[in-house]
Amino acid sequence: QKEVEQNSGPLSVPEGAIASLNCTYSDRGSQSFFWYRQYSGKSPELIMSIYSNGDKEDGRFTAQLNKASQYVSLLIRDSQPSDSATYLCAVRKGYTGFQKLVFGTGTRLLVSP
Amino acid sequence: EAGVAQSPRYKIIEKRQSVAFWCNPISGHATLYWYQQILGQGPKLLIQFQNNGVVDDSQLPKDRFSAERLKGVDSTLKIQPAKLEDSAVYLCASSFDRDSEQFFGPGTRLTVL
Repeated sequence: QKEVEQNSGPLSVPEGAIASLNCTYSDRGSQSFFWYRQYSGKSPELIMSIYSNGDKEDGRFTAQLNKASQYVSLLIRDSQPSDSATYLCAVRKGYTGFQKLVFGTGTRLLVSP
Repeated sequence: EAGVAQSPRYKIIEKRQSVAFWCNPISGHATLYWYQQILGQGPKLLIQFQNNGVVDDSQLPKDRFSAERLKGVDSTLKIQPAKLEDSAVYLCASSFDRDSEQFFGPGTRLTVL
């Protein structure tokens, strides 16, 4: 079982729709969860972080965490063509001072005009 | 604030040759990371430095890869000899400390022929 699993996609949504990206993780002790956006040929950029169960909203982005189900999701409202990118889910594992990020393979999102 | 700098941006070598990559982290960032990102996959941590000491190199293929951060600032990653499967983007990232947000450099795309 992979430590962090994502559907590779592509996930295709029309402009203005809600895009829903999902991620599961295997280490029940993980405490910190991140979503990175990576445009083709570019480096990852942090867009959301979430540490406790529930929802966290930032503009058009909402991260959702359910530790009991070991599930993290990212919702993008009013999707724009500029949102087309690969979205990487990352889980921080270890303990304070000795932690590392484990990334999923990413989900490719295509937003069509 | 200047971001993480990496060079070269692209490198093409033949198998069994050696190659070196350079990274200059954001000023004041104590923690430096080298990741390998193979096409279609998420970044995989190779080595993590705290100042000039190695924190985690558990996934570094030590028979052919080496890395150093002698003065606790910039870092080099070397591959000797390279194999075809080393073709990937090598990303350097830095953070203020081990538990802070990581900022990624533009990466070096390595092609091994």
